[in-house]
Amino acid sequence: AQTVTQSQPEMSVQEAETVTLSCTYDTSENNYYLFWYKQPPSRQMILVIRQEAYKQQNATENRFSVNFQKAAKSFSLKISDSQLGDTAMYFCAFMKLFNDMRFGAGTRLTVKP
Amino acid sequence: DADVTQTPRNRITKTGKRIMLECSQTKGHDRMYWYRQDPGLGLRLIYYSFDVKDINKGEISDGYSVSRQAQAKFSLSLESAIPNQTALYFCATSGPTGTNYGYTFGSGTRLTVV
Repeated sequence: AQTVTQSQPEMSVQEAETVTLSCTYDTSENNYYLFWYKQPPSRQMILVIRQEAYKQQNATENRFSVNFQKAAKSFSLKISDSQLGDTAMYFCAFMKLFNDMRFGAGTRLTVKP
Repeated sequence: DADVTQTPRNRITKTGKRIMLECSQTKGHDRMYWYRQDPGLGLRLIYYSFDVKDINKGEISDGYSVSRQAQAKFSLSLESAIPNQTALYFCATSGPTGTNYGYTFGSGTRLTVV
């Protein structure tokens, strides 16, 4: 079974600074997808970024980027120029092809003014 | 209107009561899922359905049942609610087959069993 581990239950960062959230996963699959979801206090789940395992290039979405290390089974999220609106729970998730998604326990990020 | 609608948004129920959480979607997706979220545990899969005639148990299905009434509707039932079923419940959809762009989530149902 695939497992997803987020080792940082809570993190904080000053506004405008950069923060990196860690995620590791365990799988024997070669083809899969990885995701980061944001859950603000409204509790809505919002897709932040997505990475296909067969692509070596790291995904980026504006201020959000990932460091995907396939051999190390690591998928960290970097948030640049942090904003107060980035305060949220962040979930790392793994999905095999045509299968269901498995989530980590989450990291609560607080952006301080 | 939201792509994935969950009702109710919040619910308080008593131990032993039967309760149904409902989910409907306008995405036209075949695949639908029910997850529960607990602090420190993330989201865990309860049941999923890849089409109307397909129902599968997830990792924590005990105490729950589901019904896929139509492509657009997928309901979750707690036959006899217990306090440790207090959680935030999410419905999600994905598709079409052959793509993996992640899920579209509903806004969640916060269930409290007293």
